[in-house]
Amino acid sequence: ETGVTQTPRHLVMGMTNKKSLKCEQHLGHNAMYWYKQSAKKPLELMFVYNFKEQTENNSVPSRFSPECPNSSHLFLHLHTLQPEDSALYLCASSQSGSTVYNEQFFGPGTRLTVL
Amino acid sequence: AQKITQTQPGMFVQEKEAVTLDCTYDTSDPSYGLFWYKQPSSGEMIFLIYQGSYDQQNATEGRYSLNFQKARKSANLVISASQLGDSAMYFCAMRGSDYKLSFGAGTTVTVRA
Repeated sequence: ETGVTQTPRHLVMGMTNKKSLKCEQHLGHNAMYWYKQSAKKPLELMFVYNFKEQTENNSVPSRFSPECPNSSHLFLHLHTLQPEDSALYLCASSQSGSTVYNEQFFGPGTRLTVL
Repeated sequence: AQKITQTQPGMFVQEKEAVTLDCTYDTSDPSYGLFWYKQPSSGEMIFLIYQGSYDQQNATEGRYSLNFQKARKSANLVISASQLGDSAMYFCAMRGSDYKLSFGAGTTVTVRA
């Protein structure tokens, strides 16, 4: 079983659509993360959940709404997006969100295009 | 805030040769972790190797080794015996006292047959 899975892998949506990205980890980890990777920019951390509690919102616009119902699942709800939101959205998990030592394991990403 | 610098936007290496990817970091945290990730064209970020700030020895994982020079704040990745499948983007990252993983801009490696 792949450690971290993401669906869908590709998504095209209009600015008025509402869609959701799903992430699931099968590693027994307690922390989950959303990152945004735009062309020619370093990865940007968006949200962090540690034991289902949101511990970080990195000044993300409200048109992105995360949800973490349990330690294994993480969603990113999208609405009223802008074309500049087109990017690769990566989900990751780690054993803990409150240590410097744990590596994060990433999913394959969702390639989002906003028309 | 942490800052990660990767000065090499792209590198070419001959198959079976070694390549060194540079990474320097800036932090005032006494305790931190350094990580390298590989991102093929498919998009997935693949964890390669980890070095803790208090580790006395350089980390190694198969063909990957991390040349950690704490005083210089550098954490270079060495890939030995390059293979065609090593062609990808490589990211250096650091996690400090805020527990956030900060990434560098990445280095594209192209392995030539």
